[in-house]
This record gives sequence, C-alpha cells and structure tokens, in this order.
Amino acid sequence: DQQVKQNSPSLSVQEGRISILNCDYTNSMFDYFLWYKKYPAEGPTFLISISSIKDKNEDGRFTVFLNKSAKHLSLHIVPSQPGDSAVYFCAAINFGNEKLTFGTGTRLTIIP
Amino acid sequence: NAGVMQNPRHLVRRRGQEARLRCSPMKGHSHVYWYRQLPEEGLKFMVYLQKENIIDESGMPKERFSAEFPKEGPSILRIQQVVRGDSAAYFCASSLQGRDTEAFFGQGTRLTVV
Repeated sequence: DQQVKQNSPSLSVQEGRISILNCDYTNSMFDYFLWYKKYPAEGPTFLISISSIKDKNEDGRFTVFLNKSAKHLSLHIVPSQPGDSAVYFCAAINFGNEKLTFGTGTRLTIIP
Repeated sequence: NAGVMQNPRHLVRRRGQEARLRCSPMKGHSHVYWYRQLPEEGLKFMVYLQKENIIDESGMPKERFSAEFPKEGPSILRIQQVVRGDSAAYFCASSLQGRDTEAFFGQGTRLTVV
C-alpha cells in the first residue's frame, strides 16, 4: 500500500529552467510533508518542508506547494543547476505515529 | 558535531550468515529510525526506537530481523540467516525529539548477500 507516490521515476531539465517534481498521497491524516535530496552512496538530506496548514513554503530556489484537496504536493526548483542532479524523495508524516512515509523517488538530471 | 554515523558502509555476507549494522545518532539525539531501500524502490520505514525501547516496529519483517538501541552505544539492526532478498541499502536517521521531522540521515550501509 503505497501511501506516498512519485509517479515520475525520472526527469530531465535544461540548466536554468524550472524543475517541477510531483508527489501524491492517499492518507488524509498526514500533517507534514518533506522533500529530501539524495546523491549516490549518500543518505538523504532534508531539503524543504511544509505543514498541512500551509499551501506554500519557499526557501531560496526551492518552493514546495501543497494542494490538500487534491492530496498533491510539488517541489519547484528555479533556476535549476547541475548540482541539483540527484534523486528527490517526498515524504509525509502523521504526528500521531511519528514515522516518515517515503515516496519511491524521482531522479532529476539537469542538462548543462 | 559529527552527523549520524553508520558502519560499516558496505557489508558482504553469504546466505545464512548474520549481518549487524550499526548506527550512532547525532550527539544528543535519542530517537533513531531505520529504513531500507531495495533496488529501484523508495525508502521503507522499518523501526523506530528510543533509548532502550522499541516504539514502532511495524515495518520490520516478522522473522530474522531485530533492532536495539541500548542505553550506551549505537543502535544495532541485526539480520539473522541472511537471504539474497535482504540485499539493500539500510539507512538510519536520528532526531532530537520524536516530533522532529527534520531527522538527519546517515550515509547508509549497503548490504550485499552472495
């Protein structure tokens, strides 16, 4: 039962353009959503998060949008840079059980 | 301040052997989470521990897998009688409080069963 889904396993974007990574979830009890970035042979690193009471959070080049009615969130990276090439995981948590549920990841490749 | 330390980084075991994966959380963190990433899949929650207590092990296979987080020392994920299907990357994360969703991850242990 995949409660958090990233339907695009890979995405290629030209350097300087906007990268949009999407994530859908099924559990309406999730309180908080996070995006992690993962390079090969390294652990995931936290990137940005958003509470379920908000619809947007921005941090530099990264913006996360949350559409609760559609159970959808997205991560926008603009402008995209070569160092952004990595696998991006979205994750969600229900504070009642305190464990992260991850999506399957999207491999982003920035083309110079 | 050292981050979350996992060792070994790579572990090769023959079928039927035991695998022990260690995780030292960040200094001051008393909450540890273990995740497994199978090839071509996302991270799957396995177990959540606080010092000396297993809080949630709903993601742990019922047999051969166990985890502990003793009062002193690292958290240990133990896999007995490993099989090829156990080959995966195992990640540990730690947080200051159970509700700290900005948990910090270790670099992972890649287990290969031959």
